[in-house]
Amino acid sequence: SYELTQPPSVSVSPGQTARITCSGDALPKQYAYWYQQKPGQAPVLVIYKDSERPSGIPERFSGSSSGTTVTLTISGVQAEDEADYYCQSADSSVVFGGGTKLTVL
Amino acid sequence: EVQLVESGGGLVQPGGSLRLSCAASGFTFSSYWMHWVRQAPGKGLVWVSRINSDGSSTSYADSVKGRFTISRDNAKNTLYLQMNSLRAEDTAVYYCARADYDILTGYSRWGQGTLVTVSS
Repeated sequence: SYELTQPPSVSVSPGQTARITCSGDALPKQYAYWYQQKPGQAPVLVIYKDSERPSGIPERFSGSSSGTTVTLTISGVQAEDEADYYCQSADSSVVFGGGTKLTVL
Repeated sequence: EVQLVESGGGLVQPGGSLRLSCAASGFTFSSYWMHWVRQAPGKGLVWVSRINSDGSSTSYADSVKGRFTISRDNAKNTLYLQMNSLRAEDTAVYYCARADYDILTGYSRWGQGTLVTVSS
């Protein structure tokens, strides 16, 4: 079955840039989506179709794609960005990555 | 305001059944493909099932195929998930979600989730 692979954790200091990767064989053919989830809350879509930002999402969130890897970049990380981040895509079925815990030091 | 409100979760014994509901409001429910996603305690998001806009096509994750049934009532603006032969590993928060940017992915609207606990 199709899998998306993310690093379990990423740590950055406030004001620095965080990069979270997501790898999958179908990513060159299929769009990726990114969600932010804080404890006890439902996920929030922060990037759609690899690099588009929904309205209301801060400009410091951006996405990019290269081959079998997509990357969520958070520039100028703030304490409020500490959360779990999940990538999502679809091949024959819908799949989420395992999630990455972003820690703001 | 767009809202998705799940209900129907609770404690059920292994082998038992439960039906979850997701009441939609603030948008034209019948125009959207809908999905169920679950999250076991302390674990990641897992896609469970989807249904197309008129209810004629469904799909399931292998882990629930043959045990869960997704359905919808567009007249009542409600999505359902009938869960049978429940197992301990089905314990999770279940979210309904609306697919906005693609029929399968890109969920910009989620419910608050309903907790299902399978335990004796």
